[in-house]
Parts: sequence; structure tokens; C-alpha cells
Amino acid sequence: SAVISQKPSRDICQRGTSLTIQCQVDSQVTMMFWYRQQPGQSLTLIATANQGSEATYESGFVIDKFPISRPNLTFSTLTVSNMSPEDSSIYLCSVDAGLFDETQYFGPGTRLLVL
Amino acid sequence: GENVEQHPSTLSVQEGDSAVIKCTYSDSASNYFPWYKQELGKRPQLIIDIRSNVGEKKDQRIAVTLNKTAKHFSLHITETQPEDSAVYFCAAGEPRNSGYSTLTFGKGTMLLVS
Repeated sequence: SAVISQKPSRDICQRGTSLTIQCQVDSQVTMMFWYRQQPGQSLTLIATANQGSEATYESGFVIDKFPISRPNLTFSTLTVSNMSPEDSSIYLCSVDAGLFDETQYFGPGTRLLVL
Repeated sequence: GENVEQHPSTLSVQEGDSAVIKCTYSDSASNYFPWYKQELGKRPQLIIDIRSNVGEKKDQRIAVTLNKTAKHFSLHITETQPEDSAVYFCAAGEPRNSGYSTLTFGKGTMLLVS
């Protein structure tokens, strides 16, 4: 499976600021996905990022709050904007195993604490 | 949208016993059902998956069964070992346009093997 890295691995931020999280894959992938995992909770899909098109957001998540870029087939960023303490979570990217392959592999996650 | 229910939320077993975790889903269009294991502070790791054209799949001590009619699927771990202790998540994959699927996760089961 692909090797996936995320930066930063963790951060502590002040409310009202923004943080951009990077996801890098060592091979070209079709789809990249961004999830949020609140403390002790399950994973919730934020959006799906396809190169060359706007990200597709799930219900409850909006582009103004979570802008996403996908400039090429190995990289994506998620920005958490105008942060509040409720945004404290682990943010994970995942990639699919190939076109028409539903298998997803996860990056190590970014632990975000908003004060 | 899809809704996935997972039970139990915690499961304690003795080493060597079997463990069973059950999930139900709501959307009959879902056709892919993976299971992930997440150890504390680590990323979710895919341990086994099943697609809707298969009723059962085994990989050593792990097996997954799927009943599409009843919309439920289960994870079976035999001969449990302390290293099996983790949180297990089931998920249902819904096909979307453009040839990809999105995953909806259950709330997770904390398995403790002692």
C-alpha cells in the first residue's frame, strides 16, 4: 500500500487562527479523503478531493471552514479556518487503492488542540 | 445518507476466547464493508474487508460475514491475544459518481483481551 505522511503531526493553536494540514503520498492516487476524529469518537468524512476539480463536501462541512486543495495526484491540503476549541480533533487523510477500488489507507493523522 | 450502527461499544474477553463485533447499515446501495483496527495514538489500519458479492471472508484468525438481505455484517476474531486489544471500526462504502466510494464508520468497539 501507499506510504502516506501528514504535516504537522500535532499542533496547538489559538482560537480565531487557521491551520493548514498537508497530506503527501509516495505514489499517484485518484482520490484523497479528509476525516475528522474527535477525541474518543469515530471517523467522520469531511470531504473528498479529486485532482482538477473542487472538493466534494459532506453534510455539515463547508468550504469556507475547511478549504481543500488538490494540486496534483500525490498531495492535498486541508485548512481549518477561524478555529474554535470545538475544532480540537485528529484530522486524517486517506487515499484510495485505485480507480474503482474502494479500499482506503490512512495517514498518521494531525492532532490539533485549539485553545 | 448511510447510517452504520456498531455493537457492542466495549468487549472484554479472556485470551484465547473468540470475539464477535456486529454492524448494521441502512443504505442498500452500499457494497463494500471494511474493518479497521486502531491502537491508541495510531492511525486506523485495514484488517479485512468484504464486498457485497461475497458472504464470508477469512484471513487467519479473522473472519467477516455479510448478510445483504438483513443489512448486517460481523467481525469474528478467534484465539484472541493481548495484541488484539484495540478499537475496531466497521464501515460501509457507498458508491458515488466518478468511480469512487465514501466510507461511513460505526462508532467503534473497544476490545480488551486479558
